[in-house]
Amino acid sequence: GEDVEQSLFLSVREGDSSVINCTYTDSSSTYLYWYKQEPGAGLQLLTYIFSNMDMKQDQRLTVLLNKKDKHLSLRIADTQTGDSAIYFCAADYGGSQGNLIFGKGTKLSVKP
Amino acid sequence: DVKVTQSSRYLVKRTGEKVFLECVQDMDHENMFWYRQDPGLGLRLIYFSYDVKMKEKGDIPEGYSVSREKKERFSLILESASTNQTSMYLCASSSPVGVNIQYFGAGTRLSVL
Repeated sequence: GEDVEQSLFLSVREGDSSVINCTYTDSSSTYLYWYKQEPGAGLQLLTYIFSNMDMKQDQRLTVLLNKKDKHLSLRIADTQTGDSAIYFCAADYGGSQGNLIFGKGTKLSVKP
Repeated sequence: DVKVTQSSRYLVKRTGEKVFLECVQDMDHENMFWYRQDPGLGLRLIYFSYDVKMKEKGDIPEGYSVSREKKERFSLILESASTNQTSMYLCASSSPVGVNIQYFGAGTRLSVL
């Protein structure tokens, strides 16, 4: 079945760029998403990319999609301590009932 | 502004109790979801509903049931709480129209003693 995988931890220094990677198994995904979860809170949509795009930029965030390798990445420029959170990658396979397949989440720690 | 509200942020219950977790959304969304989140396991789908009175099992429905009597409200029921149901529970909703964005509540951290 469909699966989404991402590494569990990433540690960076404040001011550096962070790159969080994700791979997915099924090339029929229509949209791919990045969600952010701050401690003790629910998930909040950060950004999404349609499967026919290669790149999407939104202020400090850059999403890159490599469909051939089924690889999605989220780059955060000039990472701040407030970016410390868990980041979830999710894939939408177009089912009418709205199910998304989530990765296990990458915990980003930003050291001052 | 989009809002998904879970009735409790923290809940402590005893083994064997019947537990109700409530979720309300104000976006007139057809789809609603219940997940549990555990460290290292990510989000696991318990149940979802795509319409009033409709429900579908997710990946881990055992020990849980759901109720959707009104479009805006989706309840998760633990018939007889057990310690292995201690977890963070997250509710979400989405619309079947347009980009499939799930909007999440703040979560309920349930401890079963």
